[in-house]
Amino acid sequence: AQRVTQPEKLLSVFKGAPVELKCNYSYSGSPELFWYVQYSRQRLQLLLRHISRESIKGFTADLNKGETSFHLKKPFAQEEDSAMYYCALKDAGGTSYGKLTFGQGTILTVHP
Amino acid sequence: NAGVMQNPRHLVRRRGQEARLRCSPMKGHSHVYWYRQLPEEGLKFMVYLQKENIIDESGMPKERFSAEFPKEGPSILRIQQVVRGDSAAYFCASSPPRGSGGELFFGEGSRLTVL
Repeated sequence: AQRVTQPEKLLSVFKGAPVELKCNYSYSGSPELFWYVQYSRQRLQLLLRHISRESIKGFTADLNKGETSFHLKKPFAQEEDSAMYYCALKDAGGTSYGKLTFGQGTILTVHP
Repeated sequence: NAGVMQNPRHLVRRRGQEARLRCSPMKGHSHVYWYRQLPEEGLKFMVYLQKENIIDESGMPKERFSAEFPKEGPSILRIQQVVRGDSAAYFCASSPPRGSGGELFFGEGSRLTVL
């Protein structure tokens, strides 16, 4: 069964410091990984996906199949990055198109 | 496009009552997903529906829970004879017929409190 683990429930950093939100997954097939973010009083929304290899709001995430990880990183955190972050895995070869398995989430707080 | 609309945003029920949560997907979207977020836990998949069809209900509790997505109208998540353990935030998400690269569009959620 596929599973996504985010070991840190809470993460606090100061503005300008680097930040890394950890995500590990277990999946036997070929996964597609995503990071979703929920800012205060806003909807959960897609931040980035691994296949796009993009940087969004300064965040990047690299899929490491050897370590089965998809950690989210930003070199210089900003106060507006404070939010709940979810790592998610999509069954790329399954029949449930679009179905995502989410991790438990990490609350990031960036202090001034 | 108003986005995924969920109502009610907050619902209070006493044990044994029924709860009905509604979800209108984004315009043009025909795939609906329901997720549950229990206190201190992440989002747990419940059910995936297309118009008039349940595609995957592997995350639905075996009893008291049901979901539908009729040809006309919103998707409904129905919880019969609610218990305190059903208190949670229920999120609906939608995606277009041909997918969106894995992106789901979420509603603001419905928070159910069982007294």
